[in-house]
Amino acid sequence: DTAVSQTPKYLVTQMGNDKSIKCEQNLGHDTMYWYKQDSKKFLKIMFSYNNKELIINETVPNRFSPKSPDKAHLNLHINSLELGDSAVYFCASSQGTGDYNEQFFGPGTRLTVL
Amino acid sequence: GQNIDQPTEMTATEGAIVQINCTYQTSGFNGLFWYQQHAGEAPTFLSYNVLDGLEEKGRFSSFLSRSKGYSYLLLKELQMKDSASYLCAVTDSNYQLIWGAGTKLIIKP
Repeated sequence: DTAVSQTPKYLVTQMGNDKSIKCEQNLGHDTMYWYKQDSKKFLKIMFSYNNKELIINETVPNRFSPKSPDKAHLNLHINSLELGDSAVYFCASSQGTGDYNEQFFGPGTRLTVL
Repeated sequence: GQNIDQPTEMTATEGAIVQINCTYQTSGFNGLFWYQQHAGEAPTFLSYNVLDGLEEKGRFSSFLSRSKGYSYLLLKELQMKDSASYLCAVTDSNYQLIWGAGTKLIIKP
C-alpha cells in the first residue's frame, strides 16, 4: 500500500539516450510534483501538476517533458540525456496547492548518465 | 529574489539537544515546513508552522517568528537515528514551496 511510488529506482544509461521515469500516487491527491536533487543535496522543483494541468514549470531544459495521463500519475520523459542530468529525481504529491500543502515523496530514482 | 538560509552542517552528541535555524526572505508567507531526509531516502514531513510560536511533537519542536523571518527546529534527547538532513521550506504568496538547501546533522556517540 505504497503512497507514492516511482519506477525505476535506479537508472543507468548512456549520453544521448531517451528515458522515462514513472510516478503513481494512491493518496487521492490533486497535485503532483517532480524534483531534482543533485550531488549537493539541493532539492529543486521542476514541474507541478494540479488535476492533470501544469501549474509550475521552472526553468528546465525542454528535453524534460512531464506527462500526466490522470491525476494519480505524473511521468517524466527525458530526451537526449546529458552528463549533468545525473541526479536523484523525486516525485511528490499533495492534497492541493493551498497553504498547508504537505508533500509526500516517492522513494526517488537515481539517474546516472555515462 | 527568494531565499532560505540554513547552516550546511551541524554536529551534536547523542542524548543532547540541538537547534537548527532557518531564516527566509520570500514573496509572502503562507506557512513553513520542516522535513527530515536520511541519506539515500526521500524527505519526510516533520512539522508545519503558520502562526508564531512553538509547536511541539514528541522530541521535536519547531518555532516560528514571522516578523523576523525565522524558524528553528529543536531536537531533544538526540538519538543516532536522528543523523539526517533537515530541510526548511516556505510556502510563498503564490503557494509555491521554496526549499532551503538543508542542514546535515551528524550525531556522535
